Amino acid sequence: DIQMTQSPSSLSASVGDRVTITCRTSQSIASYLNWYQQKPGKAPKLLIFAASILQSGVPSRFSGSGSGTDFTLTISGLQPDDFATYYCQQSYSAFRGYTFGQGTRLEIK
Amino acid sequence: QVTLRESGPAQVKPTQTLTLTCSFSGFSLTTTKMCVSWVRQAPGKALEWLALIDWDDEKYYSSSLKGRLTISKDTSKNQVVLTMTNMDPVDTATYFCARTNVYDSNGYYLHFFDYWGQGTLVTVSS
Repeated sequence: DIQMTQSPSSLSASVGDRVTITCRTSQSIASYLNWYQQKPGKAPKLLIFAASILQSGVPSRFSGSGSGTDFTLTISGLQPDDFATYYCQQSYSAFRGYTFGQGTRLEIK
Repeated sequence: QVTLRESGPAQVKPTQTLTLTCSFSGFSLTTTKMCVSWVRQAPGKALEWLALIDWDDEKYYSSSLKGRLTISKDTSKNQVVLTMTNMDPVDTATYFCARTNVYDSNGYYLHFFDYWGQGTLVTVSS
């Protein structure tokens, strides 16, 4: 299985800040990487797919980059609605199984 | 409008088999490249992908749970069913189904989960 390592596991920031979350995979996955946001008691919401493509309706302050084994999610200008948990997920091979990172909890400072 | 809804028992006993149904609308599993997946989340833990079924009835499973999982579809009812055998308290989780779409560009073919159900909490306890 492809292992995912997200960092940090938690993060405190203020409204207006720029934050970056990192996801590293145990082997190269090209750009087969998606990002999700999840709020307590809710289903995850797709933010970015194929490492850098913004899902329709997602604010442009969210951006993704990376390829191979190292990926980042950046939120520029944090808004109150952005405090949530973020997950990366690899879609390299359904045959080998899809996996999620362990999540990054973004909290208000 | 795409919607998905999970249904099934809220509680099962250890060793029992869990059967969950995902009822969806707004898309069809007869559409080429369309899929549905199951994902679970134990309380306070990360998301865990379980299984995927595609429009062509190809099925894929988590390697760690393979052998316990079976995914199937009924296109006439717009439903996907997941069964998990030999349930254990560690399987206590919220189970989500998600539409699994594909980004297809110049031979680059990537799945992503773009619509999710609200989830159903399953507790395994005697």
